[in-house]
Amino acid sequence: DIQMTQSPSSLSASVGDRVTITCRASQGISIHLAWYQHKPGKVPQLLIYGASTLQSGVPSRFSGSGSGTDFTLAISSLQPEDVATYYCQNYHSAPDTFGPGTKVDIK
Amino acid sequence: QVQLVQSGTEVKKPGASVKVSCKTSGYSFTTYTIHWVRQAPGQGLEWMGWINPGNGDTKYLQNFQGRVTITTDTSASTAYMELSGLRFEDTALYYCARKPFGSACDHWGQGTLVTVSS
Repeated sequence: DIQMTQSPSSLSASVGDRVTITCRASQGISIHLAWYQHKPGKVPQLLIYGASTLQSGVPSRFSGSGSGTDFTLAISSLQPEDVATYYCQNYHSAPDTFGPGTKVDIK
Repeated sequence: QVQLVQSGTEVKKPGASVKVSCKTSGYSFTTYTIHWVRQAPGQGLEWMGWINPGNGDTKYLQNFQGRVTITTDTSASTAYMELSGLRFEDTALYYCARKPFGSACDHWGQGTLVTVSS
């Protein structure tokens, strides 16, 4: 099975800061990588699929990049409503494993 | 609009089984796979398995060792996830989600809380 890791496990940044989260797959997954935002008490929301394609309705301050084993989620200007846990997910081959998550909050 | 509506909260004893439903609407049920994901208290998201309602194909996370079964009733556009041999550590919020082929889970159910307690 493909294992997913994320770094950092948590971060604290100021409003307006650029934030980046890294996700690594234990073997190549092409661009079959998604990013989700999960707020407490809410349903996970798809942000990006295909490593870099923004899901409809997602603010353009979110962006994704990478292919193969190394991927990045960036928030260009952190907003208070971005406080959440962010997960990457492999959907190259089952099991469609999630990364352990990165908790983002405001400094 | 696309909707996935799950069944309500369940409280079960260890060793029992639970069956959670996920009723879909607003799209063609057989053209998207349905995935099940759970989140235990204080933990991250854990993928459990998927089903292709078009042909009944399934794939499960091996960790569940045959305890999980995902089925569909295409006439009712509904998917089901049954988990047997419940353990305390199966206490979690269980989600269903729709996944287009070649993409990721774009619509999710509201979640079903399953509590395993003696």
